[in-house]
Amino acid sequence: DGGITQSPKYLFRKEGQNVTLSCEQNLNHDAMYWYRQDPGQGLRLIYYSQIVNDFQKGDIAEGYSVSREKKESFPLTVTSAQKNPTAFYLCASSRGGIQPQHFGDGTRLSIL
Amino acid sequence: QQPVQSPQAVILREGEDAVINCSSSKALYSVHWYRQKHGEAPVFLMILLKGGEQKGHEKISASFNEKKQQSSLYLTASQLSYSGTYFCGTELGSGNTGKLIFGQGTTLQVKP
Repeated sequence: DGGITQSPKYLFRKEGQNVTLSCEQNLNHDAMYWYRQDPGQGLRLIYYSQIVNDFQKGDIAEGYSVSREKKESFPLTVTSAQKNPTAFYLCASSRGGIQPQHFGDGTRLSIL
Repeated sequence: QQPVQSPQAVILREGEDAVINCSSSKALYSVHWYRQKHGEAPVFLMILLKGGEQKGHEKISASFNEKKQQSSLYLTASQLSYSGTYFCGTELGSGNTGKLIFGQGTTLQVKP
């Protein structure tokens, strides 16, 4: 079955540490997105990519970095510059443009 | 820029109807609706486009008032499975980027 796989499901970060969240899709979608969700809040866009080797900042990109070297993969690195990283992170993909976004099951990141 | 959803929460009995509203202060190109159950990924429901085109779910209807920059989601004859948090995502301006700004969500609880 096609879908989006996020790993790990739970992740703990130590102070000063960078961590990378994985997002892989086998839907052959061109566009991929990273969102952050805080308790009781909506989804806020971190980064998005409409095509391989190209990506744009979303509304809350500070303290995060991404790469898009392959169509299937869009990893997100939470750097030590992100002072409040505890949140639920969701990856999504779509065919691009005005199309439904399909979401992965998320990664819950916490601080040790 | 974040759209405002109303109401924040609603409790229904099975079979009752509900309307969830999404308002923006900016001109909208499209409005997307998603439902998220607790701890799960959001699931696509509907896209409404400027000009009246709709893409989405058979049992859920929605409207898009371009002049008022507002969309409404209509849930009729609600079922227990309709429970969850509903988010609208708005795409501004000329659109076609897939970049969405989500509202804060409306929590719907359907009781037997």
